[in-house]
Amino acid sequence: SQQGEEDPQALSIQEGENATMNCSYKTSINNLQWYRQNSGRGLVHLILIRSNEREKHSGRLRVTLDTSKKSSSLLITASRAADTASYFCATGSGYALNFGKGTSLLVTP
Amino acid sequence: EAGVTQSPTHLIKTRGQQATLRCSPISGHTSVYWYQQALGLGLQFLLWYDEGEERNRGNFPPRFSGRQFPNYSSELNVNALELEDSALYLCASSPGALAGATGELFFGEGSRLTVL
Repeated sequence: SQQGEEDPQALSIQEGENATMNCSYKTSINNLQWYRQNSGRGLVHLILIRSNEREKHSGRLRVTLDTSKKSSSLLITASRAADTASYFCATGSGYALNFGKGTSLLVTP
Repeated sequence: EAGVTQSPTHLIKTRGQQATLRCSPISGHTSVYWYQQALGLGLQFLLWYDEGEERNRGNFPPRFSGRQFPNYSSELNVNALELEDSALYLCASSPGALAGATGELFFGEGSRLTVL
């Protein structure tokens, strides 16, 4: 069953702008992860935030987690055309990761 | 170090046939996960194997089955294929059961199954 729901479903921005996508989930989690998928290929892990963390940074990525609202956000700063991809949040609850439907990001030059 | 490898890359079958997809995890990883990614439905969890045993199963009918071999590679079998089984099937691995439940999954490039 799917746990996370990403919002928006699609996002189109220009190079240099920031991209923000959100994820909401329903049950308690151990951690929340964000993955990236380029055009129907395999997923690549971007960042993991644990349930006792509120914010985490990795390069141009910033992830926040609000367990009281059961939500997370992924911010990509200074977007590049190469960031064009689908982004998925995934929640871990002890058995397997459950993924949302993803946000499709298009970054135009 | 080789990543997760899946075969075949593409597979075309007709309704009612059987499909077999294969996955080799990263060396040293004991857990293998299978996901289905159909158009517009996101990733749906199918199966999780660890140390040769099925640990968890998603909400799929019994015609979706699999196994994990002693070398930790895995096979996904889909019997009595239906049109809606057309999808990208992704395999992922992790160093162990707990790592998979709490940590990062490493994905292969997927096998695209088309059912005509």
